Amino acid sequence: ETGVTQSPTHLIKTRGQQVTLRCSSQSGHNTVSWYQQALGQGPQFIFQYYREEENGRGNFPPRFSGLQFPNYSSELNVNALELDDSALYLCASSLVGQGYSGETQYFGPGTRLLVL
Amino acid sequence: DAKTTQPPSMDCAEGRAANLPCNHSTISGNEYVYWYRQIHSQGPQYIIHGLKNNETNEMASLIITEDRKSSTLILPHATLRDTAVYYCIVRGSNTGNQFYFGTGTSLTVIP
Repeated sequence: ETGVTQSPTHLIKTRGQQVTLRCSSQSGHNTVSWYQQALGQGPQFIFQYYREEENGRGNFPPRFSGLQFPNYSSELNVNALELDDSALYLCASSLVGQGYSGETQYFGPGTRLLVL
Repeated sequence: DAKTTQPPSMDCAEGRAANLPCNHSTISGNEYVYWYRQIHSQGPQYIIHGLKNNETNEMASLIITEDRKSSTLILPHATLRDTAVYYCIVRGSNTGNQFYFGTGTSLTVIP
């Protein structure tokens, strides 16, 4: 158990709808990263939030957006859902500070999204 | 883009050591080597990471070659619960804020 929790565990939406996924970070962590994992592939980085601001983004369109709250929890929002958005969505929390000594990300169990 | 190369699959007998190789020939001086594993449909689990020196923890050992162009993750006594996809990742302060997972090595521990 990493202490990272995600909700909901499963979700079914239809094409064109909007979805919000939630993540609570591990105690003491200040950074949340989101990943998308399609079936049979490795996780792909969507974006990272640090101090409530986006701190890096992968190759995902603007309809993927996020928020980080003062308690470091986070939301991933996806607008205008497409069939290809069906995937396991993972969040990972970490502690980022001054300097770099190896940032270890701890993952939650994921939210499985099915778009019909 | 993934900066590591791993064999797509490996088998290991239960109770034997599992040695998972990873090539990262373009690694730069400030990049760490991380290993994660993912058991089917669960979130990736952190195993170990290192920069230059070999590392050991309660789960595994990480052996990094002197030129840092490759590494090996060693599970000393593999159990059936170690069956998973293992990802080798390199990441540093100038690599952005993401882990590039690639496709990993699917390890099957055989009874």
